[in-house]
Amino acid sequence: GAGVSQSPRYKVAKRGQDVALRCDPISGHVSLFWYQQALGQGPEFLTYFQNEAQLDKSGLPSDRFFAERPEGSVSTLKIQRTQQEDSAVYLCASSLVFRGGDNEQFFGPGTRLTVL
Amino acid sequence: GESVGLHLPTLSVQEGDNSIINCAYSNSASDYFIWYKQESGKGPQFIIDIRSNMDKRQGQRVTVLLNKTVKHLSLQIAATQPGDSAVYFCAEANQAGTALIFGKGTTLSVSS
Repeated sequence: GAGVSQSPRYKVAKRGQDVALRCDPISGHVSLFWYQQALGQGPEFLTYFQNEAQLDKSGLPSDRFFAERPEGSVSTLKIQRTQQEDSAVYLCASSLVFRGGDNEQFFGPGTRLTVL
Repeated sequence: GESVGLHLPTLSVQEGDNSIINCAYSNSASDYFIWYKQESGKGPQFIIDIRSNMDKRQGQRVTVLLNKTVKHLSLQIAATQPGDSAVYFCAEANQAGTALIFGKGTTLSVSS
């Protein structure tokens, strides 16, 4: 069956450019999460949506990071004025239930962002 | 603060051996724990989860043990296979239930 998909899979940006990363969650999943994974580290939480509502954005590292899920399905993570420290894999996950943080989350393959 | 850690960064075993991967957590109020497997270039893949009202849960070839007294979580893999080679992460739900908090991971290498 269809899982979580992310696009692009790889993105190279010059420092200062804006990027947009897309996540297509599993159909019908209420909860959607974004995580950032640096090389050799575990994923770190960025933000959480319950349908279209962004209920937790405490993990966003700066105001250059912005996420949206306007219709409660597809989500976009936008990074403005990218910096080298933004280089990482960005993972999207979805969960069927409300309060999906304490239920199984299904992860996409991630987008590897490299900022030169 | 909330954090999850792992005891060993790497574990090497022979095919057919049983593997045990350990994890310590710091938040005694944590209610939900989960193990993920991540292969190179892929997203984390669910292995097994457990809630705080349980001490043990079994899946296919895997068992998760939760010791709330010492805040310790372990993943046991029976008859380890080369296909089990990957990085294994434990994670706990934050108190708001809005996120998983991951540890650094243990790299399991299985030789045949």
